[in-house]
Amino acid sequence: GQSLEQPSEVTAVEGAIVQINCTYQTSGFYGLSWYQQHDGGAPTFLSYNALDGLEETGRFSSFLSRSDSYGYLLLQELQMKDSASYFCAVLSGYSTLTFGKGTMLLVSP
Amino acid sequence: DGGITQSPKYLFRKEGQNVTLSCEQNLNHDAMYWYRQDPGQGLRLIYYSQIVNDFQKGDIAEGYSVSREKKESFPLTVTSAQKNPTAFYLCASRSGGGDTGELFFGEGSRLTVL
Repeated sequence: GQSLEQPSEVTAVEGAIVQINCTYQTSGFYGLSWYQQHDGGAPTFLSYNALDGLEETGRFSSFLSRSDSYGYLLLQELQMKDSASYFCAVLSGYSTLTFGKGTMLLVSP
Repeated sequence: DGGITQSPKYLFRKEGQNVTLSCEQNLNHDAMYWYRQDPGQGLRLIYYSQIVNDFQKGDIAEGYSVSREKKESFPLTVTSAQKNPTAFYLCASRSGGGDTGELFFGEGSRLTVL
């Protein structure tokens, strides 16, 4: 089976940097995705890592280490609108994405 | 604009009734998915389809059924056999042409069983 672990909640202040970690156990691993979901809304895609290393997209960066079965999402220059739930998800060989339980990020002034 | 349309957005049903949730996409994507989300939880895969007239069970398929008669459409039926159907249901699609972990989601359907 597949399993993903990520912290349930993270708090930070505006302007700060926060890192959300994700460890996974899976078979047929293709890559690791990150999604953002505001309360009551649809998840939106943030990033995808198929290879080891850091991918940067604006204020958000995502990292993957396949040998450690580990990845993280890094959010810089935090804004109030970044308060949301963040999910890591593994793309497996069956063309499906398995999601973690999500990390709720609370950004305070 | 291309996207995924789910309907209805809110749905109430009595115990013992079947209900069908609609999902339509105009992204020309091959793969479509249904996920269930419970409060404070992640997304759990119900069914997925990679091509027309073919679909596979996900992790929690019991009590649900789907069809894929057209590329654009992937309706989900929540049957009376589903013991705890109250949840937020999300439909998604993915281009089958590449190795990408990007799913496009609809706005969801929130089902409440009274």
